[in-house]
Amino acid sequence: AQKITQTQPGMFVQEKEAVTLDCTYDTSDQSYGLFWYKQPSSGEMIFLIYQGSYDEQNATEGRYSLNFQKARKSANLVISASQLGDSAMYFCAMQAAYSGAGSYQLTFGKGTKLSVIP
Amino acid sequence: GAVVSQHPSRVICKSGTSVKIECRSLDFQATTMFWYRQFPKQSLMLMATSNEGSKATYEQGVEKDKFLINHASLTLSTLTVTSAHPEDSSFYICSAQNRDREYEQYFGPGTRLTVT
Repeated sequence: AQKITQTQPGMFVQEKEAVTLDCTYDTSDQSYGLFWYKQPSSGEMIFLIYQGSYDEQNATEGRYSLNFQKARKSANLVISASQLGDSAMYFCAMQAAYSGAGSYQLTFGKGTKLSVIP
Repeated sequence: GAVVSQHPSRVICKSGTSVKIECRSLDFQATTMFWYRQFPKQSLMLMATSNEGSKATYEQGVEKDKFLINHASLTLSTLTVTSAHPEDSSFYICSAQNRDREYEQYFGPGTRLTVT
């Protein structure tokens, strides 16, 4: 079974500062994918960044980077130069290599609420 | 990027009635779609996996007779909440798995169901 742990229920960051959102995971799979999603108050799930378990380099997407430490089973999200629009819930998720019946299920963490302070 | 739509975005219904929620992949084909439920300030909980042309696979604790899922085509899955009760009020989100790149999943905007 897979498990995602986000230990920070809420985080505050000053505008223009960087912030790190923690995510640890547990799996016995050798191949897996790690995702970060942003969920604003509107409810939509916005894909931010993806890291494959075999990717040697940390993923980056604009202001988002994923600090992947495989041995520690952590996949922290770093947001640089925070903006007011970054205030939202952030979910870390893991995708198994294969979940059966051709599906790749996602397992989500409990989320971290990020508030950006002007 | 790929687009998934959900309809309706909001619905209010009376207790005892049934509500159908549609999930459509607009610019790709999805052999697999997932239905999630999210309570306020909580994470997404997978309810069921919907496979085109076959029966859905439900997660433990999810009543399949209450939450009917139909995946009739490669672009459409529906979730019907039958005989809805106030405790069924929640945010329901679907995601669609790209048939051609199965590791890619795209989420719909969600449906907020309120049962009075």
